[in-house]
Amino acid sequence: EVQLLESGGGLVQPGGSLRLSCAASGFTFSSFAMSWVRQAPEKGLEWVSTISGPGATTYYADSVKGRFTISRDNSKNTVYLQMESLRAEDTAVYYCTTHYGLDVWGQGTTVTVSS
Amino acid sequence: DIQMTQSPSSLSASVGDRVTITCRASQGISNYLAWFQKKPGKAPKLLLYVASTLQSGVPSRFSGSGSGTDFTLTISSLQPEDVATYYCQNYHSDPRTFGQGTKVEI
Repeated sequence: EVQLLESGGGLVQPGGSLRLSCAASGFTFSSFAMSWVRQAPEKGLEWVSTISGPGATTYYADSVKGRFTISRDNSKNTVYLQMESLRAEDTAVYYCTTHYGLDVWGQGTTVTVSS
Repeated sequence: DIQMTQSPSSLSASVGDRVTITCRASQGISNYLAWFQKKPGKAPKLLLYVASTLQSGVPSRFSGSGSGTDFTLTISSLQPEDVATYYCQNYHSDPRTFGQGTKVEI
């Protein structure tokens, strides 16, 4: 069974940092790009970042460029999102997805940026 | 990046009504267009891919059409359980951008 399991969300103060993880199983992880998508309260789905299968190519939304870093460890079947200089507007549920299948999503992890 | 524009941003219809949502891409994406349904507290649910192919288990009242830059999602007979926000997504190229969403109410 194909599965994505996010972790690492929580409450953090503005300006703080957080690292999200997404553990994958059920497919050849290293062969497929991975992405993070978020949804802020009362807002739409927003693509955040994508990393290629080997990890050599990354993409970022303008709203997070320079503050967030996506990476992956193909030996652990895990993708990460390192979030720095967090702002209130980064408060959202963060989902992990894969290019393996359009219907494959994690359950989401909640990030709250507040003092 | 390819920009995806949906319309309308919200709509209200009655049970049994036919509902149509449009999605326009800023450049041609062939038929690499997916439609998702999003309900609060749930992960997005894939409804259609390659613009018009129904995902397994999705009711046949959902249908899609289009190619190139203009696409349509149709719900032929709106049901109470269809209350949700609907998103189109380009998967022709990275980044896989979303439309801004269409909130459907009854």
